[in-house]
Amino acid sequence: AQKITQTQPGMFVQEKEAVTLDCTYDTSDQSYGLFWYKQPSSGEMIFLIYQGSYDEQNATEGRYSLNFQKARKSANLVISASQLGDSAMYFCAMSVAGGTSYGKLTFGQGTILTVHP
Amino acid sequence: EAQVTQNPRYLITVTGKKLTVTCSQNMNHEYMSWYRQDPGLGLRQIYYSMNVEVTDKGDVPEGYKVSRKEKRNFPLILESPSPNQTSLYFCASSRRVGNILNEQYFGPGTRLTVT
Repeated sequence: AQKITQTQPGMFVQEKEAVTLDCTYDTSDQSYGLFWYKQPSSGEMIFLIYQGSYDEQNATEGRYSLNFQKARKSANLVISASQLGDSAMYFCAMSVAGGTSYGKLTFGQGTILTVHP
Repeated sequence: EAQVTQNPRYLITVTGKKLTVTCSQNMNHEYMSWYRQDPGLGLRQIYYSMNVEVTDKGDVPEGYKVSRKEKRNFPLILESPSPNQTSLYFCASSRRVGNILNEQYFGPGTRLTVT
């Protein structure tokens, strides 16, 4: 079975500083995908960034980057130059290619990020 | 604009009254899925569909039905809703690269209350 662990229930950051949100995963599959989503207080789920297990480069999307360390099974999200609008819940998630979990997306418990002015 | 739409956005109903939450995507994605989000339990997958006429159970399928007759639509059916199905529901669709999901996009959510 797959598992995603987000060990930081809450994080605080000063506006314009960078912040790292931790995510570790557990799977025996060699082929998988890792996702990060943002959920603001309004409730919608916003896709941020995706990393495939065979991608050699770390994924980047604007101010978001994914620090993918395969041997350590970690997929941390780095937000550079934090903005007040970044205050939200952030979820890490994983999809695997095979076995009984084919097609399923497993989510972590989430990290609440608060950006201070 | 690429999007996933859900209707209704808010619904209050009574126990036992059948309801359907619609979901539609305009990205020609093969994969679609339903999740529920509950405080303290996070997001849990209800059902998913890898393609037209192909559906499978997620982690919490009891009390729900789905169908995938067209690629763009994936309705969630509650035949006899109960109060424990009060939740925030999300529909999502995704591109696939081989067997791996990629860039999964969510609808705006449906807040369901069953009294």
